Amino acid sequence: DTGVSQDPRHKITKRGQNVTFRCDPISEHNRLYWYRQTLGQGPEFLTYFQNEAQLEKSRLLSDRFSAERPKGSFSTLEIQRTEQGDSAMYLCASSLRSQGTSGNTIYFGEGSWLTVV
Amino acid sequence: AQSVTQLDSQVPVFEEAPVELRCNYSSSVSVYLFWYVQYPNQGLQLLLKYLSGSTLVKGINGFEAEFNKSQTSFHLRKPSVHISDTAEYFCAVSGGYTGFQKLVFGTGTRLLVSP
Repeated sequence: DTGVSQDPRHKITKRGQNVTFRCDPISEHNRLYWYRQTLGQGPEFLTYFQNEAQLEKSRLLSDRFSAERPKGSFSTLEIQRTEQGDSAMYLCASSLRSQGTSGNTIYFGEGSWLTVV
Repeated sequence: AQSVTQLDSQVPVFEEAPVELRCNYSSSVSVYLFWYVQYPNQGLQLLLKYLSGSTLVKGINGFEAEFNKSQTSFHLRKPSVHISDTAEYFCAVSGGYTGFQKLVFGTGTRLLVSP
């Protein structure tokens, strides 16, 4: 059973550089989510896709952030011109949209740690 | 806006003792409720969920939680904890005014189990 996988697990970058994270969801899941978690806080919603369509974006997602899911499978989250405040763990998650209540369970990956120096 | 309150930021407990981690949510409409566990430097693992039906929900690793609509609570319990239960626990809600497609998390409760 392959869960949600994320790459890279850790990234250290200099301020001003661009970084990209990749997420591969559970294979049959049509919804994909990005969350951000800073130290001592719970995860905060950033955006989600249903298939390839990006259906919602949080106000936390500034214009330096862009997420894509071009073929409705894997997704990338790019951060341009990184700032120290972007240092956080970026969590990807997926779920299966269905008519029943069972489709509302969201499964998370291991996360990608970003440190901006 | 919908919110989740975890009243305790840290709960210390001795091994084999019972524990309760408290969670309250704000919503006047139907919601789904979840507890996730996060071990150091790892992602979140689903412990249990309440979607509908019985208000007492059993999860993995011997944890259970009870949905109380009148109290808007979803407290997590375990009758006897182990050292390996030391982790951060997050309560989350979906539904209500934010919709069922995303989760709103509390700030977490760190469970510290000592011998």
